[in-house]
Amino acid sequence: GAGVSQSPRYKVAKRGQDVALRCDPISGHVSLFWYQQALGQGPEFLTYFQNEAQLDKSGLPSDRFFAERPEGSVSTLKIQRTQQEDSAVYLCASSLGPSGATDTQYFGPGTRLTVL
Amino acid sequence: GIQVEQSPPDLILQEGANSTLRCNFSDSVNNLQWFHQNPWGQLINLFYIPSGTKQNGRLSATTVATERYSLLYISSSQTTDSGVYFCAVVRSGGSNYKLTFGKGTLLTVNP
Repeated sequence: GAGVSQSPRYKVAKRGQDVALRCDPISGHVSLFWYQQALGQGPEFLTYFQNEAQLDKSGLPSDRFFAERPEGSVSTLKIQRTQQEDSAVYLCASSLGPSGATDTQYFGPGTRLTVL
Repeated sequence: GIQVEQSPPDLILQEGANSTLRCNFSDSVNNLQWFHQNPWGQLINLFYIPSGTKQNGRLSATTVATERYSLLYISSSQTTDSGVYFCAVVRSGGSNYKLTFGKGTLLTVNP
């Protein structure tokens, strides 16, 4: 596809359920990022992959959050035992080069997670 | 970490008016991007502009890196320009790559 895609676009979970959010980056993009956007705020960094290597997970809010990119392409963000404070939009971005520092980061449409 | 401040927080215009949005940042950067978040939540890339000036149709942007600010100009605004405009930066140096976003400017263009 031409852009970053994410699925599902909307997810409603009951508190305590596990969820998995998928990101398909632009083909050939080396770098992949996950961001979290709370209502009325700007996105905040969660984690970063260079190919299949997770080089930074400093933004993950707790050990209930886990991300993987096993083949250096598709990535999954998993949240275990969801809590109400996890409700947010989860955005995935990709960039062509190995760092994203001097490359344009392109964002997907996001997954809106609501935890009841 | 780096601080990103955007102004004004809210802006209401009549269709056809021009506007300037400002982004100040607290440290040197090697990546600065402007985004438009539409009502459906999609972040649309407007400019990658760590320095200099660029133009794309009715939009243009200027970043003065030495003075740590960037400006986004919207001319002849249209109702479809409504939404939140974000500035985001990557701080220079080390292994920095994550974008730090400002809080955005909410633009409303009335017909």
